[in-house]
Amino acid sequence: DIQMTQSPSSLSASVGDRVTITCQASQDIANHLNWYQQKPGKAPKVLIYDASNLEPGVPSRFSGSGSGTDFTFTISSLQPEDIATYYCQQYDSLALFGQGTRLEIK
Amino acid sequence: QVQLVESGGGVVQPGRSLRLSCAASGFTFSSYAMHWVRQAPGKGLEWMGVISYDGSNKYYADSVKGRFTISRDNSKNTLYLQMNSLRVEDTAVYYCVRDPRKIIITFRLSYWGQGTLVTVSS
Repeated sequence: DIQMTQSPSSLSASVGDRVTITCQASQDIANHLNWYQQKPGKAPKVLIYDASNLEPGVPSRFSGSGSGTDFTFTISSLQPEDIATYYCQQYDSLALFGQGTRLEIK
Repeated sequence: QVQLVESGGGVVQPGRSLRLSCAASGFTFSSYAMHWVRQAPGKGLEWMGVISYDGSNKYYADSVKGRFTISRDNSKNTLYLQMNSLRVEDTAVYYCVRDPRKIIITFRLSYWGQGTLVTVSS
């Protein structure tokens, strides 16, 4: 079974900072990875699909990269409305989420 | 616009059964694969399973395989989750989710309902 290791589990950053979250798969998953944002009390929202494609309507400060086993999600300039928990999700073998990264404003 | 409304949640005793429903509107329900995802209180997301657009294919996470069954009634634009032998650890908000592309299963979880809370407790 594929395991997903997402880090860090929590992160505190200042407005305007560049924020990076990583996700590592236990085996090669090509580019079969999506990234989601979940704000408190809300359903998740897909931001990035196929590792690096921006979902329509999602601000360009969000980006994703990687393939194989190592993936990165980046917010180029953190905004107050980006406070949320972020999840990676592999779909190379059915679907499995990473543990999540809780992002807070410093 | 795409609308997904889950119902059927509530408090249920361990070992009992419960069926959740998800009413779909704003799109051609019979053309899209549908997923169930759950989230235990204060915890992360757990994908549970998917059903193809026509109901002919179903795939489940190991954690629920054999206990939970996904079905759909395309004539009623409704998705179902039959949950049997419920355990305390099944306590969660249950979301129904639509795939973005017609016919195929992409596993991109694009459209989410608001969720329904299931509490398993004696």
